[in-house]
Amino acid sequence: DTEVTQTPKHLVMGMTNKKSLKCEQHMGHRAMYWYKQKAKKPPELMFVYSYEKLSINESVPSRFSPECPNSSLLNLHLHALQPEDSALYLCASSRTGTGNTEAFFGQGTRLTVV
Amino acid sequence: AQSVTQLGSHVSVSEGALVLLRCNYSSSVPPYLFWYVQYPNQGLQLLLKYTTGATLVKGINGFEAEFKKSETSFHLTKPSAHMSDAAEYFCAVSWNTDKLIFGTGTRLQVFP
Repeated sequence: DTEVTQTPKHLVMGMTNKKSLKCEQHMGHRAMYWYKQKAKKPPELMFVYSYEKLSINESVPSRFSPECPNSSLLNLHLHALQPEDSALYLCASSRTGTGNTEAFFGQGTRLTVV
Repeated sequence: AQSVTQLGSHVSVSEGALVLLRCNYSSSVPPYLFWYVQYPNQGLQLLLKYTTGATLVKGINGFEAEFKKSETSFHLTKPSAHMSDAAEYFCAVSWNTDKLIFGTGTRLQVFP
């Protein structure tokens, strides 16, 4: 199994809603990532979890809250988002967090904030 | 500052022609190097990577890339383009950390 599974595939939420994005991998990878990708732009790193601990937070606003319940799961909790937060949110995992192993990406969640 | 540059945001080739997508990094320390492909409304798929060893790396779908330390480059090539190669291509680098830095991407168009 070389898949990273993200749910939901599409999400429309109002600015006062609370929702969560979910990501799962069963490859035994110990690093997991959240990226945000705007149209026609490269992915931007948001958070990195290494061995279930938050190792990188790229100065992301607090309305985005990551959680890593165990080594296979990664969540992104969303609250009071703005329309400019609409984007494709990508989850990825890699065997280690040392940079020399490739990241496997999920298909993404297309988020629209109305 | 460590960074990665992709020259050419759009590249157009005819079917059967050579594909050349450029990637350069800026650092005195060579990074680990990756090429990813992204089809519309999908995630990213690894094409190939260079970490150590042979500098000419072969990947999936007939793509290959050569690490040239003297030129700080890792250009992606394919001898003969197919229509199915039309996609967005990202070069990415990392330096012994969790952080994968992406280039700005190159959109490849293939004309019949």
